[in-house]
Amino acid sequence: GQNIDQPTEMTATEGAIVQINCTYQTSGFNGLFWYQQHAGEAPTFLSYNVLDGLEEKGRFSSFLSRSKGYSYLLLKELQMKDSASYLCAVRGSNYQLIWGAGTKLIIKP
Amino acid sequence: GAGVSQSPSNKVTEKGKDVELRCDPISGHTALYWYRQSLGQGLEFLIYFQGNSAPDKSGLPSDRFSAERTGGSVSTLTIQRTQQEDSAVYLCASSLNPAGATDTQYFGPGTRLTVL
Repeated sequence: GQNIDQPTEMTATEGAIVQINCTYQTSGFNGLFWYQQHAGEAPTFLSYNVLDGLEEKGRFSSFLSRSKGYSYLLLKELQMKDSASYLCAVRGSNYQLIWGAGTKLIIKP
Repeated sequence: GAGVSQSPSNKVTEKGKDVELRCDPISGHTALYWYRQSLGQGLEFLIYFQGNSAPDKSGLPSDRFSAERTGGSVSTLTIQRTQQEDSAVYLCASSLNPAGATDTQYFGPGTRLTVL
């Protein structure tokens, strides 16, 4: 079967760094996406990885290891507005995205 | 419009009634997706449109659910004889070209459906 695993919830402190992990088992791999979803709002696109390595975008970075079926989203200099759910999704052998259940990130002052 | 829009934003209905949810994708996007998200849960895929055809309806939970897309643009998701377990946020997304390697889905604000 196809499966995406992420921690259910994480807590971090304002100004700190947090790493949200995602492991996947899918039939085929054509890229991995991270989305941010604030409570009561729609998911918004954060990053896309298809090759191994780190993609950096400001305070956010995303890493991929295809051989390990593993990705992480790294958030630096955390701000209160980063409190949200972070969704990992993998594009398998067709157009469809397979979604993880999301990681709820709680930022404390 | 600049983004994906959905209407209504909220819908409260009685068990057994039919509801229609509407999605207006980003202009020029050929692909349209419907998802369902229950409170605190991940996204559940319902159906995918490429143009006006739906090559994948595998996610529709029962025959009470149907969807159509006209003119390669607006889509309507219809739920007949609603049940309480249908209560969820229904999200629509669109993308430019699902065959493209970096194709990205952009989401609308969702319709929160409550079945009493």
